[in-house]
Amino acid sequence: AQKITQTQPGMFVQEKEAVTLDCTYDTSDPSYGLFWYKQPSSGEMIFLIYQGSYDQQNATEGRYSLNFQKARKSANLVISASQLGDSAMYFCAMRGPYSSASKIIFGSGTRLSIRP
Amino acid sequence: DAMVIQNPRYQVTQFGKPVTLSCSQTLNHNVMYWYQQKSSQAPKLLFHYYDKDFNNEADTPDNFQSRRPNTSFCFLDIRSPGLGDAAMYLCATSRVEGTITDTQYFGPGTRLTVL
Repeated sequence: AQKITQTQPGMFVQEKEAVTLDCTYDTSDPSYGLFWYKQPSSGEMIFLIYQGSYDQQNATEGRYSLNFQKARKSANLVISASQLGDSAMYFCAMRGPYSSASKIIFGSGTRLSIRP
Repeated sequence: DAMVIQNPRYQVTQFGKPVTLSCSQTLNHNVMYWYQQKSSQAPKLLFHYYDKDFNNEADTPDNFQSRRPNTSFCFLDIRSPGLGDAAMYLCATSRVEGTITDTQYFGPGTRLTVL
């Protein structure tokens, strides 16, 4: 069975500092996709970044990068130069191969608070 | 801009009174999903449509139904809302079904209150 684990329920970070949000996953499938979503207090789930299991390089999108360590089954999100608007809930998620590809499995989330 | 739209953003209903939540999309995606999200929890998939094919999750209560009259619209019907159904309901879309790369895009959600 597939599983996503986020061990940090909450984090406080000073503005302009970099922050790493941890995510580990468990799957026996060789083919999978990993996603990070941001959910502000307004409720919308905003797609941030994607990493495929066969991708050779770590994904990057602006200030977001994904530190993908396949052997350790970890997919940590790194936010560089944090901003007040980064305060939100962050979910790590995984999508499996065809038989279950319709389903995204979410972690429990990490609530990030940026201090001015 | 192409997007996923949910109406209303906030819905208040009475215990046992049927309620319908709506979702529309301008992305022309084939797949539409409904999630339930309770406070401080991850979203929970209720069901999804791949075109007109309906796929219900095994643990979705019978109280929850869905309709997709066309590609753009999808509705969530709660036949007899209970207090435990108070939650945020998120609609999402993705282009295709069955690929690990396919990203789900979410709407802003409808926050349902049951009195």
